[in-house]
Amino acid sequence: EVQLVESGGGLVQPGGSLRLSCAASGFTFSDYYMDWVRQAPGKGLEWVGRIRDKANSYTTEYAASVRGRFTISRDDSRNSVYLQLSSLKTEDTAVFYCGRGGGGYGPEYWGQGTLVTVSS
Amino acid sequence: QAVLTQPSSLSASPGASASLTCTLRSGINVGTYRIYWYQQKPGSPPQYLLRYKSDSDKQQGSGVPSRFSGSKDASANVGILLISGLQSEDEADYYCMIWHNSAWVFGGGTKLTVL
Repeated sequence: EVQLVESGGGLVQPGGSLRLSCAASGFTFSDYYMDWVRQAPGKGLEWVGRIRDKANSYTTEYAASVRGRFTISRDDSRNSVYLQLSSLKTEDTAVFYCGRGGGGYGPEYWGQGTLVTVSS
Repeated sequence: QAVLTQPSSLSASPGASASLTCTLRSGINVGTYRIYWYQQKPGSPPQYLLRYKSDSDKQQGSGVPSRFSGSKDASANVGILLISGLQSEDEADYYCMIWHNSAWVFGGGTKLTVL
């Protein structure tokens, strides 16, 4: 069974940083791309970014709204993907979900999400 | 103009069919895209339903009933999620998504009410 478990969310002040983790199990993690998506309270889904697999040089893509502030990385030995959040703004307050995507395909599985609240 | 536009809400009766639309912005040809559909219920993560590009390039999500199906209306530049035999449990938000300009782009979502 595919499982994705996010962690690391919490309350952070504007301008602060936070690192989210997503632990994967139930599949060969190294074979898959991984995506991060967020959802602000009462709003729709917004894609944050993607990291590809080793065969595709672990390349990343980011949404324009977070490029330069957020960084995605992965550790295939730990079956985990990470989202480093920096220079946080109040409008970054959201539930962040990690998702498993296939090569060239969109996410088919999502974790339960972790809430990030940016407030002073 | 948004890349993907969805009606904000739709109502339908139990047992009926509901057609949820995802309109691509003018200049973006629906025929060249795989359109993904997700269902989200309050307090839960999105659930993958299916993807559809053509009848020969489509995939149903694992465990997703066949009463959920995808299609396109090329004349209207629209992707469609058809839900037949509506059940109360289908009441949820539905999002479409495409890969466009090296980014996943979501529509704003449609809140489906079954009553």
